[in-house]
Amino acid sequence: SQQGEEDPQALSIQEGENATMNCSYKTSINNLQWYRQNSGRGLVHLILIRSNEREKHSGRLRVTLDTSKKSSSLLITASRAADTASYFCATQMEYGNKLVFGAGTILRVKS
Amino acid sequence: ETGVTQSPTHLIKTRGQQVTLRCSSQSGHNTVSWYQQALGQGPQFIFQYYREEENGRGNFPPRFSGLQFPNYSSELNVNALELDDSALYLCASSRGLAGDRRYNEQFFGPGTRLTVL
Repeated sequence: SQQGEEDPQALSIQEGENATMNCSYKTSINNLQWYRQNSGRGLVHLILIRSNEREKHSGRLRVTLDTSKKSSSLLITASRAADTASYFCATQMEYGNKLVFGAGTILRVKS
Repeated sequence: ETGVTQSPTHLIKTRGQQVTLRCSSQSGHNTVSWYQQALGQGPQFIFQYYREEENGRGNFPPRFSGLQFPNYSSELNVNALELDDSALYLCASSRGLAGDRRYNEQFFGPGTRLTVL
């Protein structure tokens, strides 16, 4: 079963705009990760945030985590057409354990 | 490119048949995890192998089985295929296992797309 919900299911924006995706989960976690998937192929790890962290940045990516609400958001700033992909959040209860994925958000960036 | 390879890329089988999918882990990695991703959904954990032993299993029936070899490559076997087994099967390799005090990223292969007719 999926860990939780991702919102929105699909997002269409213009190049240069910001894209925000949200993820909710159900159980206590050690960390939450965001992955990207192009055209139903392999997953690429984007960023990890630990349960004791509230915000993390990596390039144009900003991730927040609110453990009291069991939710996270991924912000992609100044989006590019190449950012078009599906984005998944995944949680781990401890390092090395299974990843529990959400259903994903499909992002389309129009040029 | 993550260094994790999977074969074959695509596969078509009929209901009731058996299938074997293969995964070569990244150099230096001793843990392989398998995931099933149905169309339009997120991946779901099937099982994990660490040093040739199964180390955790998701909610999948026994007809899903696996192996890990001394070189840490792995196979996923599915018997008595059903239509609902049609999916993208992903493997991920990493160092270490549950309980490690340090984070070890899971690197995903490109997947095998299985179609069951």
